[in-house]
Amino acid sequence: NAGVTQTPKFQVLKTGQSMTLQCAQDMNHEYMSWYRQDPGMGLRLIHYSVGAGITDQGEVPNGYNVSRSTTEDFPLRLLSAAPSQTSVYFCASSYSVDNQQFFGPGTRLTVL
Amino acid sequence: ELKVEQNPLFLSMQEGKNYTIYCNYSTTSDRLYWYRQDPGKSLESLFVLLSNGAVKQEGRLMASLDTKARLSTLHITAAVHDLSATYFCAVDPQHSGAGSYQLTFGKGTKLSVIP
Repeated sequence: NAGVTQTPKFQVLKTGQSMTLQCAQDMNHEYMSWYRQDPGMGLRLIHYSVGAGITDQGEVPNGYNVSRSTTEDFPLRLLSAAPSQTSVYFCASSYSVDNQQFFGPGTRLTVL
Repeated sequence: ELKVEQNPLFLSMQEGKNYTIYCNYSTTSDRLYWYRQDPGKSLESLFVLLSNGAVKQEGRLMASLDTKARLSTLHITAAVHDLSATYFCAVDPQHSGAGSYQLTFGKGTKLSVIP
């Protein structure tokens, strides 16, 4: 099993550009989440999904969109990148809320 | 709004010593998670605590949950250099029944174990 995979590992964008961060898992997990990690801030939840076709907002959803058309994939879209979105983004999945989350390796995004 | 506070935020300890990291949270919850992150790496799940009085142990780490005090502890026994990392707690604000999956993380405790 590959676990949770994320692409790309690094990305530099200019302000106003859009892009999609990819996340996939091969563990048949229903629950998937996107977090951002900023220095000294811990992790903050952006969006999450409890199954294919079901998504909801987390703590910091503004400027981001998600969709979940399959159990395996949970892409995160930046609509119009801003410097405030410079961060490390982690995708995570779990079988249920009572089980451990598995995290992807992260995407380091810089917006100039 | 749920607030999760960890202390200390930085901890330098000698090998062989014991210490405890504290995680306080501001609202009723009976679900708490501990994670470890090595520098420049992703997060690894350590413990899932799902009820008052839950205690879990793995190697030199032991985590416990007191929902009445809104407190979880991560106890380190006889620290070794390999335990150097940042440790995060995360709380699910849902109380009883199914979890909400909307975790709030603490800012993390950076642990350095010195030989």
